[in-house]
Amino acid sequence: EVQLLESGGGLVQPGGSLRLSCAASGFTFRSYAMSWVRQAPGKGLEWVSGISDSGGRTYYADAVKGRFTISRDNSKNTLYLQMNSLRAEDTAVYYCATLYCSSSTCYHDNWGQGTLVTVSS
Amino acid sequence: QPVLTQSSSASASLGSSVKLTCTLSSGRSWDIIAWHQQQPGKAPRFLMKLEPSGSYRKGSGIPDRFSGSSSGADRYLTISNLQSEDEADYYCETWDSKTWVFGGGTKLTVL
Repeated sequence: EVQLLESGGGLVQPGGSLRLSCAASGFTFRSYAMSWVRQAPGKGLEWVSGISDSGGRTYYADAVKGRFTISRDNSKNTLYLQMNSLRAEDTAVYYCATLYCSSSTCYHDNWGQGTLVTVSS
Repeated sequence: QPVLTQSSSASASLGSSVKLTCTLSSGRSWDIIAWHQQQPGKAPRFLMKLEPSGSYRKGSGIPDRFSGSSSGADRYLTISNLQSEDEADYYCETWDSKTWVFGGGTKLTVL
């Protein structure tokens, strides 16, 4: 059974930093692209960042480009999101998710339980 | 970048059927999408991948009551024999080489 367990969320002041982690188990982590998706309170889902299976390719939403960095450690089966220069609008539940990718498409097919990030003074 | 349009809300009676719609932006009628369910207070759950042909592949453990279909730029999620636990937000998703896009979601109320 695929399990994704996020951690590292919490309260941080505007301009501060936070690093999220996602511990993966139940599947061959190194074979899957991964992603972070967030959900602001009362709002819909918003894709944040993605990373290839090897970690060699990374992708970012315009809203976080230059401030967030996605990475992974395949030896530890763990995905990370380093978040710098945080803003109030980054307040959200952050979900880790696996990406199923084929030649013609790529979509999220397993989700973690999420970790809450609150940016406030 | 693709845009996915969903109605903000829908409602149907217990035991009936409902068809939710996700509309792809102009020029993207050949896109594959995914449907996700998010029950209140829970994480999203992958329901199915849906192709422009109407062919779909469901996630593990998704009941037979859930099915998909397509027509042009529209992608549909049909839920038959509605149960109380089907009351949730439903999101469609698509992908464009380096970005992923979600629709705004449809809040389904089971009456």
